[in-house]
Amino acid sequence: IAGITQAPTSQILAAGRRMTLRCTQDMRHNAMYWYRQDLGLGLRLIHYSNTAGTTGKGEVPDGYSVSRANTDDFPLTLASAVPSQTSVYFCASSAVLGAGELFFGEGSRLTVL
Amino acid sequence: QKEVEQDPGPLSVPEGAIVSLNCTYSNSAFQYFMWYRQYSRKGPELLMYTYSSGNKEDGRFTAQVDKSSKYISLFIRDSQPSDSATYLCAMSDGGGSNYKLTFGKGTLLTVNP
Repeated sequence: IAGITQAPTSQILAAGRRMTLRCTQDMRHNAMYWYRQDLGLGLRLIHYSNTAGTTGKGEVPDGYSVSRANTDDFPLTLASAVPSQTSVYFCASSAVLGAGELFFGEGSRLTVL
Repeated sequence: QKEVEQDPGPLSVPEGAIVSLNCTYSNSAFQYFMWYRQYSRKGPELLMYTYSSGNKEDGRFTAQVDKSSKYISLFIRDSQPSDSATYLCAMSDGGGSNYKLTFGKGTLLTVNP
């Protein structure tokens, strides 16, 4: 059982470059989320999606974009990476938006130089 | 005042000790309360999930919610070295268009053999 698969696991990126973090779930969950986790700041929601075709902004959406073309995939794109986007990024899903268990991926560790 | 406050620790206890982890919150709309466990370099995983006030027990773990005091706790009995992890509290106002799930910053727990 894969659950949530994130790629890449780790990436070093030059500032100004475009980067897409991939997230795929095999649980047929309606809701998906992207969080970033930073020391001292905890988990902060970047974007979320209630269902395929719809997305919403979280707490820290600036500099990030998402799409939800189908149920399983929820990529996160940094159009022009900046050093403050250095973080660990977690994708998550739940059966229903905002309720029930969130299932997390293993994270993508991104360093922007 | 931050919406969710959680003592970051670190907390170090001997094996077999009773551990108490706590969060306070300010948003009275929160109805769903969760505890997640996160091992080093892994994604968070759901440990306990409760709705409204009261207690819930699952093996060595007990979750308590006191909505009148806006205070939640997680107790771990007979703690084991395998319990060493970061524990995150999380709260939701119930989903839908008013979706909001807020995490505490996490408490790092070490159980020493």
